[in-house]
Amino acid sequence: GNSVTQMEGPVTLSEEAFLTINCTYTATGYPSLFWYVQYPGEGLQLLLKATKADDKGSNKGFEATYRKETTSFHLEKGSVQVSDSAVYFCALSKAGANNLFFGTGTRLTVIP
Amino acid sequence: NAGVTQTPKFRVLKTGQSMTLLCAQDMNHEYMYWYRQDPGMGLRLIHYSVGEGTTAKGEVPDGYNVSRLKKQNFLLGLESAAPSQTSVYFCASRTPGLAGEQYFGPGTRLTVT
Repeated sequence: GNSVTQMEGPVTLSEEAFLTINCTYTATGYPSLFWYVQYPGEGLQLLLKATKADDKGSNKGFEATYRKETTSFHLEKGSVQVSDSAVYFCALSKAGANNLFFGTGTRLTVIP
Repeated sequence: NAGVTQTPKFRVLKTGQSMTLLCAQDMNHEYMYWYRQDPGMGLRLIHYSVGEGTTAKGEVPDGYNVSRLKKQNFLLGLESAAPSQTSVYFCASRTPGLAGEQYFGPGTRLTVT
């Protein structure tokens, strides 16, 4: 079936540290891959996406590369800020399915 | 554009009471979704709709009903609330296509005592 596995949280980093949040997926064919972010007290919003192998999605200093050979879509940022504190969700969409498949989320806290 | 709106924002129910959560979107999206979010559980899909007049079950549909009488509205009903339904409920709508973006509402925090 289709599924997404994210690294367990929570993750706590100091400001300006490097961030990696791992995401691997299980799906046949060629899904599209997404990262969503949920700030405290809000709904989720799209952070970035990639639609085919070797595509790199980027936004707000975050990047993720669609790696078909390792079925991964890891989220990275070179220098995190306190304002990046949020819960991050990896997700995939698959042809023939009407909904997105979400990971369980990874909570990031950035301390000054 | 208001995007996706949800009413109410907060609600407290007693066990056995009923209520309806309203979701509205002004982006003319065909696809709409209801999720619940519990601590440590991520998002779980309750029901969804692929167009006006259609509904389908998601991962955790028991205890909930939905209706999509108008394209812009998607209602989630609890006929007899239970403490296990205490959660934060999110509605979303989605642009078409494999890479379609999902837009979420701000959520409704429901407590059942």
